Amino acid sequence: EPEVTQTPSHQVTQMGQEVILRCVPISNHLYFYWYRQILGQKVEFLVSFYNNEISEKSEIFDDQFSVERPDGSNFTLKIRSTKLEDSAMYFCASMGAGYEQYFGPGTRLTVT
Amino acid sequence: SQELEQSPQSLIVQEGKNLTINCTSSKTLYGLYWYKQKYGEGLIFLMMLQKGGEEKSHEKITAKLDEKKQQSSLHITASQPSHAGIYLCGADLPSLRFGAGTRLTVKP
Repeated sequence: EPEVTQTPSHQVTQMGQEVILRCVPISNHLYFYWYRQILGQKVEFLVSFYNNEISEKSEIFDDQFSVERPDGSNFTLKIRSTKLEDSAMYFCASMGAGYEQYFGPGTRLTVT
Repeated sequence: SQELEQSPQSLIVQEGKNLTINCTSSKTLYGLYWYKQKYGEGLIFLMMLQKGGEEKSHEKITAKLDEKKQQSSLHITASQPSHAGIYLCGADLPSLRFGAGTRLTVKP
């Protein structure tokens, strides 16, 4: 069964450093998303991406964040200068024509 | 944006018992997703409901979207320890907003 994959599973970085989180969505899906979940809190929407551009973003997704689909398979989230409060699980999701949205296993980002 | 309230926040049931989890929206629902999450892990897609009155089942889990499309319920029949986890409802297509989750514990 096709699935969304994410790498790395865990990333530890120092405050102020740049991180890139990677996702491989399901191959025939067209809509891609990033969400985050701070420990013990709700899953929060960050950004959606369709047709090689951002279609919607939340107030969390400020200038420190960017997304890219550098090739036909990868979808990346970059955080330019990480802050302590960026520590969270980051989930990638993809959605096909049937509106079923599948999530990856997540990347745990720890900012020290 | 959509606000989703889930109830109860947590639930402990004996194995074999039935249970229901509710998700109430502040607005009309045009697409309601149910996911299961184990602690520290990803979200597992359970089902999606789009039409008022729609009901879907997967194994022993049934979900329904009410006629007025502002509430959904998730029902588990004859619960098993494997059903334990956090159940999340999500809505507000296409960029999901989630409820806070219902933590289910099933005692053997």
